[in-house]
Amino acid sequence: DAKTTQPPSMDCAEGRAANLPCNHSTISGNEYVYWYRQIHSQGPQYIIHGLKNNETNEMASLIITEDRKSSTLILPHATLRDTAVYYCIVRTYLGGYQKVTFGTGTKLQVIP
Amino acid sequence: GAVVSQHPSRVICKSGTSVKIECRSLDFQATTMFWYRQFPKKSLMLMATSNEGSKATYEQGVEKDKFLINHASLTLSTLTVTSAHPEDSSFYICSARDRTSGTYEQYFGPGTRLTVT
Repeated sequence: DAKTTQPPSMDCAEGRAANLPCNHSTISGNEYVYWYRQIHSQGPQYIIHGLKNNETNEMASLIITEDRKSSTLILPHATLRDTAVYYCIVRTYLGGYQKVTFGTGTKLQVIP
Repeated sequence: GAVVSQHPSRVICKSGTSVKIECRSLDFQATTMFWYRQFPKKSLMLMATSNEGSKATYEQGVEKDKFLINHASLTLSTLTVTSAHPEDSSFYICSARDRTSGTYEQYFGPGTRLTVT
């Protein structure tokens, strides 16, 4: 799996959009971008994933650059419950023996 | 949605004893389960991949005789920490891959906090 680079920490005011960047310059054509988050002392939670088009679900939006070398996770209206460590991962989507390998992630602190 | 449970959620044991942690997929079948450990303020580290009916595959540096993994059914995998020592104290997380989903998506359990005294 390709490696990712994320800032170690970010702050965001409650109610504002949180934009979390991720660099994945060595991503290959069949690798998807996945985002998970881990709230303190809990297991990771899936947020969203995408290949090359922008994606949106009830939790977040994912913006992937045209060259696919970077992406941004957007939480449109951050709440205190969004305080967590966010992990950006690239992996193949189907089949194979692939496994999810976590980097260091970004610790997002939502401030009241 | 797919749910993965772990039991126990917390366990405290004495040094030298063995501890078993269970990981169950509650509403789907999982041919593959993964075990991670996480130290405070650190990221998750993959320990091993567990396949139903076969031996687990351990990541480099993980002692297979120390961390025994059994995946006896499509919904249950167990991790046994043998002769536990204080340095084994950690947060252990499992995940399970849904075999029926064409995406082979992975779902994570809530974790088990092990404290060895």
